[in-house]
Amino acid sequence: EADIYQTPRYLVIGTGKKITLECSQTMGHDKMYWYQQDPGMELHLIHYSYGVNSTEKGDLSSESTVSRIRTEHFPLTLESARPSHTSQYLCASSDTWATEAFFGQGTRLTVV
Amino acid sequence: GENVEQHPSTLSVQEGDSAVIKCTYSDSASNYFPWYKQELGKGPQLIIDIRSNVGEKKDQRIAVTLNKTAKHFSLHITETQPEDSAVYFCAASSDYKLSFGAGTTVTVRA
Repeated sequence: EADIYQTPRYLVIGTGKKITLECSQTMGHDKMYWYQQDPGMELHLIHYSYGVNSTEKGDLSSESTVSRIRTEHFPLTLESARPSHTSQYLCASSDTWATEAFFGQGTRLTVV
Repeated sequence: GENVEQHPSTLSVQEGDSAVIKCTYSDSASNYFPWYKQELGKGPQLIIDIRSNVGEKKDQRIAVTLNKTAKHFSLHITETQPEDSAVYFCAASSDYKLSFGAGTTVTVRA
């Protein structure tokens, strides 16, 4: 069982609200990722981190931002939620590049 | 960047039969090819992976083959069981990220 946790599991929120999706891992992994999973199930990388104080944008443009102040914590923030942000967000971590990535259970976000 | 194509998008098999999912990748520098299984309401979980210096790998009922020249790799599940029903993703990695295929929904009929 992977030691990576996402909260909340489900979130319904109104347009314009600021939200933060939490992701924590206890494996000491340097590499962390955020993926957006659309209704067709495809996974798109939106952010990743090499380690503390490093964040990079992924392939899919996203209005969200991330921070990495501690190794174990990689939160994702949306300053002003919109219906187009409705999706499932998956957090993952890995020890190095090109090794097993461990995924959290995901946060299903609905913006109304 | 890397582009991974996965086929088929859906696959229905009779319990006990084999299932095969195929993927192609575009970046010849990719050297790590994992397969993930995602069950309903859960995050993807690694089931098997292969590196570019290996042509085939097997783990019980699951096997993966890699053809670097043709840039394709495949997942084989033998003696399928109802618990194999899930969405399966292939992925390819050359450096900092995994590029995923679009997924295959596998249904095992009892």
